[in-house]
Amino acid sequence: SYELIQPPSVSVSPGQTASITCSGDKLGDKDACWYQQKPGQSPVLVIYQDNKRPSGIPERFSGSNSGNTATLTISGTQAMDEADYYCQAWDSSTVVFGGGTRLTVL
Amino acid sequence: EVQLVESGGGLVQPGGSLRLSCAASGFIFSSYEMNWVRQAPGKGLEWLSYIISSGATIYYADSVKGRFSISRDNAKNSLYLQMHSLRAEDTAVYYCAGHGGYTYGAFEFWGRGTLVTVSS
Repeated sequence: SYELIQPPSVSVSPGQTASITCSGDKLGDKDACWYQQKPGQSPVLVIYQDNKRPSGIPERFSGSNSGNTATLTISGTQAMDEADYYCQAWDSSTVVFGGGTRLTVL
Repeated sequence: EVQLVESGGGLVQPGGSLRLSCAASGFIFSSYEMNWVRQAPGKGLEWLSYIISSGATIYYADSVKGRFSISRDNAKNSLYLQMHSLRAEDTAVYYCAGHGGYTYGAFEFWGRGTLVTVSS
């Protein structure tokens, strides 16, 4: 079955750029998206179709997807961005989530 | 305002059954594709099932195929998940999530979730 692999954790200093990767076989041929989930809350879509931001998502969130890797980039990271981030893609008739990455802003 | 409100969770014994509901409001439910996603305590997201806007196409994750059944009633703006033969590993928060065609399969709406605990 298809798998998406994310690093378990990423740390970043406030104001710096955070990059979270998501790896899967020929992931660049699929539409990747990203969710942010804060403790006790539901996931929120932050990037869809590789690099598009839903209404209300700050411009500091961006995405890319090529080859076997999709990347979520947060520029000028703020303390409020500390959360778990999940990538997701469709493989045939199933939805696959990455294992999640905890972003720590310290 | 878009709202998805799950209900029907609770404590159930192993081998038991439960039916979850998801009430939608604030958008044209009958035009949206819907899914169930769960999250075990302290774990990541796990997709369970998908149903197209008309209800004519349904997909399941292997982990629940044959035990869970998704359905919808567009007249009642509601999504359902019937769960049978529940196991301890089915313990999780269950979310309903929806998407329209323009997000290319990304889930733009999520409910707050309902907790299902399978334990004797």
